Amino acid sequence: EAGVAQSPRYKIIEKRQSVAFWCNPISGHATLYWYQQILGQGPKLLIQFQNNGVVDDSQLPKDRFSAERLKGVDSTLKIQPAKLEDSAVYLCASREMGKGLGAGELFFGEGSRLTVL
Amino acid sequence: TQLLEQSPQFLSIQEGENLTVYCNSSSVFSSLQWYRQEPGEGPVLLVTVVTGGEVKKLKRLTFQFGDARKDSSLHITAAQTGDTGLYLCAGVTGGFKTIFGAGTRLFVKA
Repeated sequence: EAGVAQSPRYKIIEKRQSVAFWCNPISGHATLYWYQQILGQGPKLLIQFQNNGVVDDSQLPKDRFSAERLKGVDSTLKIQPAKLEDSAVYLCASREMGKGLGAGELFFGEGSRLTVL
Repeated sequence: TQLLEQSPQFLSIQEGENLTVYCNSSSVFSSLQWYRQEPGEGPVLLVTVVTGGEVKKLKRLTFQFGDARKDSSLHITAAQTGDTGLYLCAGVTGGFKTIFGAGTRLFVKA
């Protein structure tokens, strides 16, 4: 079974430029998450999708970040304009609808490492 | 805002020693998960605990969920160098919103 695919793996941009990250979740996984992980910290939830609808985006800086999940499959996360403090790894994860007790496993991609100069 | 606090933040021990990592919150979660993350990779699930007071064992790792479903602990017996990594606890709400702690970075020396 193919895992969560993310691209690009690395991106270096200057502040005020824009960047976009792409994620293809595991086939059939209805729930998709974007996390921001700053060096030395745990992943911070940015946005959660259920199919193509937004479930939670309370931590997404909406003045510069946007995300969409058209057709309920692939997703893109965009930053425009980027700031120095956006330097981080952006992790995409997907989860199958829960079966039985407890939440199912979150499957993560390898992440997209962003450096803003 | 739901927060998960992990302690310690960093742990450096000798091979063969035992250790315990703690995850605490003021919020109640539907379930709690523990993940391990290697450099350059995404976190990988170790275990999910659902019931208050639940204890799960995975080889040398023992996971416990607090009775009130607000806290958890991870105990490693006889640590090995292969246990080195970042250990993350994650609280899951009823809507499958998943919040991570800041992590405990473990380094096991040979």
